[in-house]
Amino acid sequence: NAGVTQTPKFQVLKTGQSMTLQCAQDMNHEYMSWYRQDPGMGLRLIHYSVGAGITDQGEVPNGYNVSRSTTEDFPLRLLSAAPSQTSVYFCASTPSDRTGAFFGQGTRLTVV
Amino acid sequence: GDSVTQMEGPVTLSEEAFLTINCTYTATGYPSLFWYVQYPGEGLQLLLKATKADDKGSNKGFEATYRKETTSFHLEKGSVQVSDSAVYFCALSEDDYKLSFGAGTTVTVRA
Repeated sequence: NAGVTQTPKFQVLKTGQSMTLQCAQDMNHEYMSWYRQDPGMGLRLIHYSVGAGITDQGEVPNGYNVSRSTTEDFPLRLLSAAPSQTSVYFCASTPSDRTGAFFGQGTRLTVV
Repeated sequence: GDSVTQMEGPVTLSEEAFLTINCTYTATGYPSLFWYVQYPGEGLQLLLKATKADDKGSNKGFEATYRKETTSFHLEKGSVQVSDSAVYFCALSEDDYKLSFGAGTTVTVRA
């Protein structure tokens, strides 16, 4: 059972480039979300989804897009990377019984 | 809006010492409260959870009690081990899938 899988683990982008961070879960969880982790700030919610075809914005959505075409996948797109988006990104999924979120191992993104 | 404040670190302890990490929260409703742990190079793992006032969550020797009167959820462990070295996050959620996190507390346990 793989749980929540994020790819890539590390990425360096140039300012203005676009890319997609992949997230897949094999636990059939309804809820999925993306967070960014910055030093001294904990994790902040970027976008979340309560089911296939349904997404909504979190605390810090600007510069990011998401889609949820299947239950398993929840990719995060950076449209035009900026240095302020340098961070560690975590994807999480939560079962419908809401017993607690499962996190992926993270993607460390550097924008130069 | 909802927010979480946890004690700043880093915290350095000797093995078998007592650990307390303070956490207080602000919420408009009646949130669930969580402690997550992040080991080096890994994602976050749920350590324990409490869903209502006076509930006590416990796991791996760690405990925390949901105190509504003081809006607190302090994490405690009676005797820490080197393997407990990690970053600990307090979090709350009104719906259990959108989490608001504290800044995290880095704990280092020396042999």
